Amino acid sequence: NAGVTQTPKFQVLKTGQSMTLQCAQDMNHNSMYWYRQDPGMGLRLIYYSASEGTTDKGEVPNGYNVSRLNKREFSLRLESAAPSQTSVYFCASSPPTGTGVNYGYTFGSGTRLTVV
Amino acid sequence: AQTVTQSQPEMSVQEAETVTLSCTYDTSENNYYLFWYKQPPSRQMILVIRQEAYKQQNATENRFSVNFQKAAKSFSLKISDSQLGDTAMYFCAFMKRLSYYGGSQGNLIFGKGTKLSVKP
Repeated sequence: NAGVTQTPKFQVLKTGQSMTLQCAQDMNHNSMYWYRQDPGMGLRLIYYSASEGTTDKGEVPNGYNVSRLNKREFSLRLESAAPSQTSVYFCASSPPTGTGVNYGYTFGSGTRLTVV
Repeated sequence: AQTVTQSQPEMSVQEAETVTLSCTYDTSENNYYLFWYKQPPSRQMILVIRQEAYKQQNATENRFSVNFQKAAKSFSLKISDSQLGDTAMYFCAFMKRLSYYGGSQGNLIFGKGTKLSVKP
C-alpha cells in the first residue's frame, strides 16, 4: 500500500545509546517531516525537509539530527539518547503545492521510543 | 508565530448524538489552511477535514463539518450521529500557505488535542 513507512514501531534504549529512526514514502512527495508527540503537548515539529537535499530545524531540534537520503527517505538520529526523548515519533510527507493538490500531510504509524 | 488552542482536553458524547470540538488560532497571515486530524487508539494520524482560509463556505465530509469563523479565528469541528469508532484524540492544525505552485507546503502547527469518548 502506498504511504509512509516508519521503522521500528517500538524501541527501548538505555541513556546514552544512539539509534536511527527510518522513514520512507512512496508517493513521490517532495517534503518530509519528523514530529514528536508527548502527552498533553500535541505534535511538535523536530526537523523538516522541504525538498531533497535540504533540511531545517523545527520547534524542538535539540538532541536530534536528520538526513534526507534521497527523495523517498528521511531519517532521524538520536546520537546520545536521554529520558527526555521518550516519546512517540511520527514521520510525515506532503506533495508540492499546485492546482488540485490535497493540502495536508500523510503520516506514518509512529515509533514509540522509551529511553531508560 | 502561529499558535493553535484547543480548550477542551476531554469530552464525551452519547452514541448517535452531536458533539462540537473547539479550536482557536492566532495568526497574522491571510492565506492558510486549517485541518482536523483524528488519532484513534491505533495511533495512526488520519485527516478528517480541511478548510482553505479563502473559502467562505464551511467544509463538510459526511458526518463531519466545520464552523470556520475567519474574523474570530475560530475553527470548530461538529460530529453528527456520533459512532463508537469516533472515539479518538482530535487535533486541530494550522498551515501557512507558502507558495502557489511547485513549492513546499508549510509546516503543520498542532493544538494539544481533545480526547473524545463516544459512549454506547
